[in-house]
Amino acid sequence: GQNIDQPTEMTATEGAIVQINCTYQTSGFNGLFWYQQHAGEAPTFLSYNVLDGLEEKGRFSSFLSRSKGYSYLLLKELQMKDSASYLCATVDSNYQLIWGAGTKLIIKP
Amino acid sequence: IAGITQAPTSQILAAGRRMTLRCTQDMRHNAMYWYRQDLGLGLRLIHYSNTAGTTGKGEVPDGYSVSRANTDDFPLTLASAVPSQTSVYFCASSDSRGSGANVLTFGAGSRLTVL
Repeated sequence: GQNIDQPTEMTATEGAIVQINCTYQTSGFNGLFWYQQHAGEAPTFLSYNVLDGLEEKGRFSSFLSRSKGYSYLLLKELQMKDSASYLCATVDSNYQLIWGAGTKLIIKP
Repeated sequence: IAGITQAPTSQILAAGRRMTLRCTQDMRHNAMYWYRQDLGLGLRLIHYSNTAGTTGKGEVPDGYSVSRANTDDFPLTLASAVPSQTSVYFCASSDSRGSGANVLTFGAGSRLTVL
C-alpha cells in the first residue's frame, strides 16, 4: 500500500537547526512536496524535489533519496514564526498526492 | 488579491441537513480539489476536477458530491450530513493535475461541525 511516515511532533529552540524526516512507500514516484501549515490556516508550498539531492531555499532546505524512500526538511536559524505543522506529500504514478499526517514543530525561546 | 475564496468559514449543522461549501478561484487554474483534514490524519482527497465540466472521485468521496460548471467555481455538497463529516475542508487549485511539479494553492478552509 501507500504510506507516508513523519514524526507527530518535534520541539526545537529559537536560533537552532531542526531536521524533519519523511519516509514513504508509494506506487510509483513523481516527486515529493513539503508544505507549511500554521495553526488554523491553509497549507502553503515550501519545496518540491524530484531528483536526489539537496535543494536549498533560504533558511529552508529539502533533501531527497529516491532509493531509500526518504526525504527531510532542514530549517536553519529557527524563528518563532516557524512554529507550524510541516506536511510531506508524494506524487504517485497517477499524479495523485499522498499526504503524511504532518509534523507539528514547536519552537521555544 | 489572487487566490481561493471559501465560504462559509465555519458552520454548525444538524445531522441530516444538506450543506454546500463554496469555493471560487481567480487564478484561472484548470484543476481544483476538495480535501478534508482531520486530527492525526493526512489531507484526504474527496473529489477533484481536472478541468471545467469534468469531475472525479478521490480517496473519500462517499456522502459528497461536486460540480464544475465553469473554471472558477467548485462547490462541495453534503446531501445529508452525518457527524463523521465533522472536519476542516480545504479547497485547492493548480495549473494542471497531470504533472509531478503540481503546486497546489489552498483556500483558508471551512470548519464544519455536524451534530
